[in-house]
Amino acid sequence: QSVLTQPPSVSAAPGQKVTISCSGSSSNIGNNYVSWYQQLPGTAPKLLIYDNNKRPSGIPDRFSGSKSGTSGTLGISGLQTGDEADYYCGTWDSSLSAGVFGGGTKLTVL
Amino acid sequence: QVQLQESGPRLVKPSETLSLTCTVSGASISSYYWIWIRQPAGKGLEWIGRIYISGSTNCNPSLKSRVTMSVDTSKNQFSLELSSVTAADTAVYYCARESAAAALETLDFWGQGTLVTVSS
Repeated sequence: QSVLTQPPSVSAAPGQKVTISCSGSSSNIGNNYVSWYQQLPGTAPKLLIYDNNKRPSGIPDRFSGSKSGTSGTLGISGLQTGDEADYYCGTWDSSLSAGVFGGGTKLTVL
Repeated sequence: QVQLQESGPRLVKPSETLSLTCTVSGASISSYYWIWIRQPAGKGLEWIGRIYISGSTNCNPSLKSRVTMSVDTSKNQFSLELSSVTAADTAVYYCARESAAAALETLDFWGQGTLVTVSS
């Protein structure tokens, strides 16, 4: 049981937009920033979004992030087959004094 | 370019101690928090703990009693020990760096991961 809650899977057609939610509480997302990671099959996770809505160098602007209250959202527009991956949200939990992740969301591009 | 590489035994017997080392290149180990994460096959990411050069650590409460972390500045390495392992500790173990230019738990560089199997 993960501290942060994500939908197990989402799907959309190429070229469409999809959003992935990440729900937490006041001890984590409510008072800390959210990061998002992309894990392509058989590879290590890669930082996609940090500080709720910032993109590291090299990440296309098709990827966006937002936060409202105790939830974060990852948006991916102009979907490509290469975006098929598992996506994880992460943040710091001030009550646990530990990092926490969501359970992950598998994106299928139909 | 920052690179991290996990190393250590791939097979550990039940009740023994799992030991992994992460070697960092392209960055000084003295300037960041360093993180351990694991991922059982087909499952999600689990945060294990983090360590700073000062020796300050934070651990997942569910693993805290079994986790020991350390830093070796002379080798630019940091290490994880997980004691009294069971089959439930079988996973891919990743090391990662916490960014110094972003919020807590922004993990900007990751190792490729190493599969550790607990079996007799």
